[in-house]
Amino acid sequence: GIQVEQSPPDLILQEGANSTLRCNFSDSVNNLQWFHQNPWGQLINLFYIPSGTKQNGRLSATTVATERYSLLYISSSQTTDSGVYFCAVHTGGFKTIFGAGTRLFVKA
Amino acid sequence: DAGVIQSPRHEVTEMGQEVTLRCKPISGHNSLFWYRQTMMRGLELLIYFNNNVPIDDSGMPEDRFSAKMPNASFSTLKIQPSEPRDSAVYFCASRLGLNTEAFFGQGTRLTVV
Repeated sequence: GIQVEQSPPDLILQEGANSTLRCNFSDSVNNLQWFHQNPWGQLINLFYIPSGTKQNGRLSATTVATERYSLLYISSSQTTDSGVYFCAVHTGGFKTIFGAGTRLFVKA
Repeated sequence: DAGVIQSPRHEVTEMGQEVTLRCKPISGHNSLFWYRQTMMRGLELLIYFNNNVPIDDSGMPEDRFSAKMPNASFSTLKIQPSEPRDSAVYFCASRLGLNTEAFFGQGTRLTVV
């Protein structure tokens, strides 16, 4: 089946720093989502991005489907950005496969 | 819309007991998914339904696990008998259809002692 790899696995930032998270996938996908799992365990939708670039406040995402990767940019990080960031790909049919996540900790 | 609603939020049960987790998808969504999250295995897709019909249950770990969707607004995931290794957070998600965004419930944290 399709493989979804995220990097880095762990990231520690000082508040105010910028970061880039990467998601590589091994086969063509219909679509891609980024989620943030907050410290309370809730999965929050960030972006639904099959291709191109989207921005939402301090966050933006770019997916290059032809090269099988997506990037999530976090600018001016805040302590509330801490948590785990997941990339999830939608394959043919209805399956959604998750990467292992990037665990982010933002220090005050 | 209130989003995907799961109940209970927390469940503690003894080994051997039956456990039933419940999910109400977003109104109008015709696809429903059950996931399990553990530290060791991350987020695993257990089963998904389209128009109330199970499409793929290859992720269900054992025959002790079963899922039903009797109508478009309700699904259950049952574990009988439960075992300590079933302890995990179980998420339900729904989508409007192909090539649409998936939305997750808040999860049920199951502890089997």
